[in-house]
Amino acid sequence: EAGVTQFPSHSVIEKGQTVTLRCDPISGHDNLYWYRRVMGKEIKFLLHFVKESKQDESGMPNNRFLAERTGGTYSTLKVQPAELEDSGVYFCASSPEPGQGANTEAFFGQGTRLTVV
Amino acid sequence: AQSVTQLDSQVPVFEEAPVELRCNYSSSVSVYLFWYVQYPNQGLQLLLKYLSGSTLVESINGFEAEFNKSQTSFHLRKPSVHISDTAEYFCAVTALSYNTDKLIFGTGTRLQVFP
Repeated sequence: EAGVTQFPSHSVIEKGQTVTLRCDPISGHDNLYWYRRVMGKEIKFLLHFVKESKQDESGMPNNRFLAERTGGTYSTLKVQPAELEDSGVYFCASSPEPGQGANTEAFFGQGTRLTVV
Repeated sequence: AQSVTQLDSQVPVFEEAPVELRCNYSSSVSVYLFWYVQYPNQGLQLLLKYLSGSTLVESINGFEAEFNKSQTSFHLRKPSVHISDTAEYFCAVTALSYNTDKLIFGTGTRLQVFP
């Protein structure tokens, strides 16, 4: 079974440009999460989808970030326009059920390394 | 709100030596506790977790962590490390809440095992 896959693995863009990151969760997982790690700092939660609905978007830094999950399958995270401080590694994770209980676990992708120059 | 502190950003150790990676957390509510590992060029993988019951939890590759409520700690230990344990380790918590299950991570500890 395929794991969580993220595209692209790396992206280098200039300040002011637009970038779209994609995440394909594990098939059948209703819950999809986006996290970000700025260099040297902690991994921070961005938002959580349940199917196509945003359950929690409290971690989105500002309105330059737009996340979508049309049809409840894959998700995209668009940054427009990109700023230097948006550089970091963006992780996606999925789980079959909400909550980190005994029978659930969030499975992470390899991440997309975004560099804004 | 919750927070996680990993005081050691890097831990160098020789192969077959014991290691402890420290994790302290702060929370006003009960939490679940996790250790994730990121091997080079790979994604995050769950190493072990504490939900309830026995305060000592173990992973399949010889790591263990002990939940200490009074000290709000969840340190990760291994009695004898291998070269293949070289990776970055992240401690994380999530609040026991139906409405949210977001993970709160520490800044990570890079374990470097030398031959």
